[in-house]
Amino acid sequence: TQLLEQSPQFLSIQEGENLTVYCNSSSVFSSLQWYRQEPGEGPVLLVTVVTGGEVKKLKRLTFQFGDARKDSSLHITAAQPGDTGLYLCAGELRYQRESGSARQLTFGSGTQLTVLP
Amino acid sequence: DSGVTQTPKHLITATGQRVTLRCSPRSGDLSVYWYQQSLDQGLQFLIQYYNGEERAKGNILERFSAQQFPDLHSELNLSSLELGDSALYFCASSGGDNEQFFGPGTRLTVL
Repeated sequence: TQLLEQSPQFLSIQEGENLTVYCNSSSVFSSLQWYRQEPGEGPVLLVTVVTGGEVKKLKRLTFQFGDARKDSSLHITAAQPGDTGLYLCAGELRYQRESGSARQLTFGSGTQLTVLP
Repeated sequence: DSGVTQTPKHLITATGQRVTLRCSPRSGDLSVYWYQQSLDQGLQFLIQYYNGEERAKGNILERFSAQQFPDLHSELNLSSLELGDSALYFCASSGGDNEQFFGPGTRLTVL
């Protein structure tokens, strides 16, 4: 069973501070995705990283994929109350079956971020 | 709004019962995925269907089954329900190898 360990589990910071969330696995994934989930809603994809060493920026969010494609981090600069939410990393496996291609996401346990005004 | 719809939004039932959760994917998406989210297990992949055929299977119990119909909507059937089956059940859809869009979920409470 492939597992993704995400840390920290909870994070409460003041507006304007920076933070980093980590996602680690002993397995290699086809890609790694970061999602944000609001209460009462489904997860929404923020970014997908595919290549080892890849860095992607989305406004104040910076995503890194480790060289070995087993770990990833999400860094938020100058956090705002609107960043509050559950952040989930997910490793994707893609493989071929007789009927066609299959996809499977393994999610980390999540980081509940609270940004206080 | 992701374009994925799930019904019902809430479901309360008793142990031993059977329920059916329904999902309508985004227009044109052929793949449907089911996930279970609980406090102790987190978000777990259950099963993927593509154009009516099962493609990938995750941590889905034998008491659970799913199917995708010719109009591409999908149903997740949960039987012999136990207290531990109480969770949020999400459906997601995708077109090809693209992003998965998640529905708003069905909250199942087993009493």
